[in-house]
Amino acid sequence: TQLLEQSPQFLSIQEGENLTVYCNSSSVFSSLQWYRQEPGEGPVLLVTVVTGGEVKKLKRLTFQFGDARKDSSLHITAAQPGDTGLYLCAGAHTGTASKLTFGTGTRLQVTL
Amino acid sequence: GAGVSQTPSNKVTEKGKYVELRCDPISGHTALYWYRQSLGQGPEFLIYFQGTGAADDSGLPNDRFFAVRPEGSVSTLKIQRTERGDSAVYLCASSSGLAGATGELFFGEGSRLTVL
Repeated sequence: TQLLEQSPQFLSIQEGENLTVYCNSSSVFSSLQWYRQEPGEGPVLLVTVVTGGEVKKLKRLTFQFGDARKDSSLHITAAQPGDTGLYLCAGAHTGTASKLTFGTGTRLQVTL
Repeated sequence: GAGVSQTPSNKVTEKGKYVELRCDPISGHTALYWYRQSLGQGPEFLIYFQGTGAADDSGLPNDRFFAVRPEGSVSTLKIQRTERGDSAVYLCASSSGLAGATGELFFGEGSRLTVL
């Protein structure tokens, strides 16, 4: 059972456009991570957020953790073809930090 | 090696057969995880090892699935009497601490299992 719902599931945009991916849950998480996965490879960590309302920036990527720590967003500015991939959010609950719950994923394609 | 290594990268088997998937974590990482990723889905937790012991095996779907890590390094995921529904990419990850806030998971490239 996927407790983290991501939207949209698929996104195809042109280079230079902006986009936002959402990650929503009814559960409170102690921390939330975003990963990017390319075909034939394992997910690679992009960022970890731990405080409600926290905003982190990684070059053109901006990550926000919701105030109630139930949701998160990933905003990409001026998307590039190299941003193409599957974006996954993953949450950890207090007391079971060993087990990440992954979202359903957002597949992004950026074309020239 | 520098990263998490998984073998085989691809495995095709027949329904009812036994399968072993191997994971060699990053040297020095005490925590090791197995996840399963079905087509179009995010990874689903199977089992977590801290050292040699399975600290959390709550994600194993049934008793056909078993994993070991006898020396606290390499781990083997074993699937008995495979079923077509077991077809998926099996991902292994390791970390120096707990997943989430205190640890980054480093994933291998996965073992793609196809059960005919």
